[in-house]
Amino acid sequence: GQQVMQIPQYQHVQEGEDFTTYCNSSTTLSNIQWYKQRPGGHPVFLIQLVKSGEVKKQKRLTFQFGEAKKNSSLHITATQTTDVGTYFCATMYSGGGADGLTFGKGTHLIIQP
Amino acid sequence: ETGVTQTPRHLVMGMTNKKSLKCEQHLGHNAMYWYKQSAKKPLELMFVYNFKEQTENNSVPSRFSPECPNSSHLFLHLHTLQPEDSALYLCASSQVGEGTEAFFGQGTRLTVV
Repeated sequence: GQQVMQIPQYQHVQEGEDFTTYCNSSTTLSNIQWYKQRPGGHPVFLIQLVKSGEVKKQKRLTFQFGEAKKNSSLHITATQTTDVGTYFCATMYSGGGADGLTFGKGTHLIIQP
Repeated sequence: ETGVTQTPRHLVMGMTNKKSLKCEQHLGHNAMYWYKQSAKKPLELMFVYNFKEQTENNSVPSRFSPECPNSSHLFLHLHTLQPEDSALYLCASSQVGEGTEAFFGQGTRLTVV
């Protein structure tokens, strides 16, 4: 299946600072999804990007899909304590007739008040 | 309420025990998944059931045995597990087709002693 690499693994920010996590692939991706997992919780879908160069916004969150469809980023402006958690990128691939989501290792966002 | 329910939420079992994890989805999806989440390998895809047929197993050890009696229910049968199998086991469902989001259950925290 397709592999997606995610950096950084951990990010410490002061509350109010911005945060960015990056997702990269060596192959062209048909789509990229982003999920958030709160501490002790389960992954929750945030957004999906499918078009080259696509940019989508959700309040303070900005999601971008690269022109070559090999990378993506999630940017949070002015972080709040509610943003704490692990952010995963994922891509849905088809292999042997099956569809399966492959996840990056995630970026743990730690916010210091 | 996620629409995907997993039981039990916590499970402690000995290495000689046999237990089963249960997952039920109320979303009308036609694909279900088992993921293993541990500190070493976050969100590792184990099994995919697409239209009730297993189509992916990602080289999972045979001590894990999935069962999908219908499109709404998914089981993971466990036997002779090892301590390194201790992890959070997450079930997810989606509608087959490229680029569809996955809905996760709250997971079963498994400890093998």
